[in-house]
Amino acid sequence: SQKIEQNSEALNIQEGKTATLTCNYTNYSPAYLQWYRQDPGRGPVFLLLIRENEKEKRKERLKVTFDTTLKQSLFHITASQPADSATYLCAGSARQLTFGSGTQLTVLP
Amino acid sequence: DGGITQSPKYLFRKEGQNVTLSCEQNLNHDAMYWYRQDPGQGLRLIYYSQIVNDFQKGDIAEGYSVSREKKESFPLTVTSAQKNPTAFYLCASSETVAYGYTFGSGTRLTVV
Repeated sequence: SQKIEQNSEALNIQEGKTATLTCNYTNYSPAYLQWYRQDPGRGPVFLLLIRENEKEKRKERLKVTFDTTLKQSLFHITASQPADSATYLCAGSARQLTFGSGTQLTVLP
Repeated sequence: DGGITQSPKYLFRKEGQNVTLSCEQNLNHDAMYWYRQDPGQGLRLIYYSQIVNDFQKGDIAEGYSVSREKKESFPLTVTSAQKNPTAFYLCASSETVAYGYTFGSGTRLTVV
């Protein structure tokens, strides 16, 4: 079955550094990959979408890449801040969205 | 402001009871979705609807039912046939799968 895997359950980094989160997909070829932020007890908030024919997309301090050869997306937060601490979800869409289990990011002051 | 409203925020169900979770959107989105989130498992799709009066089963539809009589509303009923209903339930909407989803704030259901 189609699967989205986020390799790290938790990631701790120092404030000001770049956080890099990994998302891998198997058994299908999503036309889009999406990234969401989720805070405890809240619904996910959409951040970025990247299409399979796009290599990279940026939004402010966020950057997402889509490598169809490696079947992988990388999500970068540059100049990270403690307010960036949250769980980040990757999702791949063919007909519907399939979500990964998320990576909990903690930015240490 | 446009958005999705889920109610109630917390819900307690007794064994053998059916309960209905409400989801309303004012974004004029055609597509609506219900997901279940359990700790460490990410979001799993229960049901989705791409148009009024039509809906499709997702990956874990057993023990759940939905209706889509109005574009704005997509209620989810958790029936007594769902043996492990304790979870965080999220409703979402989108224009199409090619756009990001807008999620509600969720309903936490607990069996007592």
